[in-house]
Amino acid sequence: QVQLVQSGAEVKKPGASVKVSCKTSGYTFNNYGISWVRQAPGQGLEWMGWINTYNGNTNYAQNLQGRVTMTTDTSTRTGYMELRSLRHDDTAVYYCARVGWRRMDVWGQGTTVTVSS
Amino acid sequence: DIVMTQTPLSLSVTPGQPASISCKSSQSLLHSDGKTYFYWYLQKPGQVPHLLIYEVSNRFSGVPDRFSGSGSGTDFTLKISRVEAEDVGVYYCMQSIQLPTFGQGTKVEIK
Repeated sequence: QVQLVQSGAEVKKPGASVKVSCKTSGYTFNNYGISWVRQAPGQGLEWMGWINTYNGNTNYAQNLQGRVTMTTDTSTRTGYMELRSLRHDDTAVYYCARVGWRRMDVWGQGTTVTVSS
Repeated sequence: DIVMTQTPLSLSVTPGQPASISCKSSQSLLHSDGKTYFYWYLQKPGQVPHLLIYEVSNRFSGVPDRFSGSGSGTDFTLKISRVEAEDVGVYYCMQSIQLPTFGQGTKVEIK
């Protein structure tokens, strides 16, 4: 079955960087994109960006431009999201999701990133 | 950015009774390809969000038929014909005709 398995929880200091991985299985990797969505504690869902796994093209949310980079490794069927210059308000659960026909249809289990001094 | 506005923000429903959630977008979600890029997601307590409805009215795999979606252009509705205890959680609408945006979420609880 289709699965997206994310890396474990991270604790980072302000100003540091974090890189979250999303290992996929159960489908043809290059036929679907990967989106990243985050959810701050007690808050709603915020779309962060998307990567086309076929050609590597990306689109990022405007408020994260310059701080976020999404990449993939086709050989391991894994997507990555790196967020730099972390701030306290980047504390959130970060989800990856498979994207096909513009819909996010299967999600990873989430990765908690805590930014704390 | 397209703004998605959900109403109500919370809903308390008696089991077996119907429920309805509205979502309005600040721009039409009808694409020139004829599709409307509008979705409903449910995030049950402590769980990952999952897709309920895609392109306005299509139930995703495994979604019970008590869930139905309708609407067009900028106005959309999710209906639950008979609410069950397992339907509690936060419902989000989302658009992807442009860079995706979500509604604020509607918290559904059981009376």
